[in-house]
Amino acid sequence: DAGVTQSPTHLIKTRGQQVTLRCSPKSGHDTVSWYQQALGQGPQFIFQYYEEEERQRGNFPDRFSGHQFPNYSSELNVNALLLGDSALYLCASSFLGRETQYFGPGTRLLVL
Amino acid sequence: DQQVKQNSPSLSVQEGRISILNCDYTNSMFDYFLWYKKYPAEGPTFLISISSIKDKNEDGRFTVFLNKSAKHLSLHIVPSQPGDSAVYFCAASPPSGNTPLVFGKGTRLSVIA
Repeated sequence: DAGVTQSPTHLIKTRGQQVTLRCSPKSGHDTVSWYQQALGQGPQFIFQYYEEEERQRGNFPDRFSGHQFPNYSSELNVNALLLGDSALYLCASSFLGRETQYFGPGTRLLVL
Repeated sequence: DQQVKQNSPSLSVQEGRISILNCDYTNSMFDYFLWYKKYPAEGPTFLISISSIKDKNEDGRFTVFLNKSAKHLSLHIVPSQPGDSAVYFCAASPPSGNTPLVFGKGTRLSVIA
């Protein structure tokens, strides 16, 4: 049973560029949440997708957007990258109505 | 304003002894609590959870205690093993499931052989 997978594992971009991160949820899960983890901090909620729609959103600007596909996989897009966007981006999957979320290995983004 | 606080950034324990990791929360709407373990270069791994209708939940060497009146929970690991060395995150969520998790900043546990 495959767990949550994310790609790529590492990424280096320059300021102003755009990036797309990908996530495949755990088998049987229908809900995907994205979190940003800065160095020395706990993960911060970005947004959550269910049935291909954004259900909830944290305190992140519109430069952060996402998408969920019919097979429940998801993408996180960040436009106009800033140095402060450098972080570990974590995807978590769950089954709607269940509290426990399972995390992927993350994508480490470095913005230069 | 941090709603979930882990006030000890690090903790060192000898192998075989008990590790106690603490977590405090401020939002009384939180009713479900989770602990995650994170190794470097990996995502957080779910360890154990507790609902607010309970005050204790056990799973093998891991026990979580919840004190609702004090808005405090703790994770006990007995006996501690070197492989337990990792960063431990406390997380909380309000009712209605699938709501965003609110995390503390984590506590780095080092188990010394």
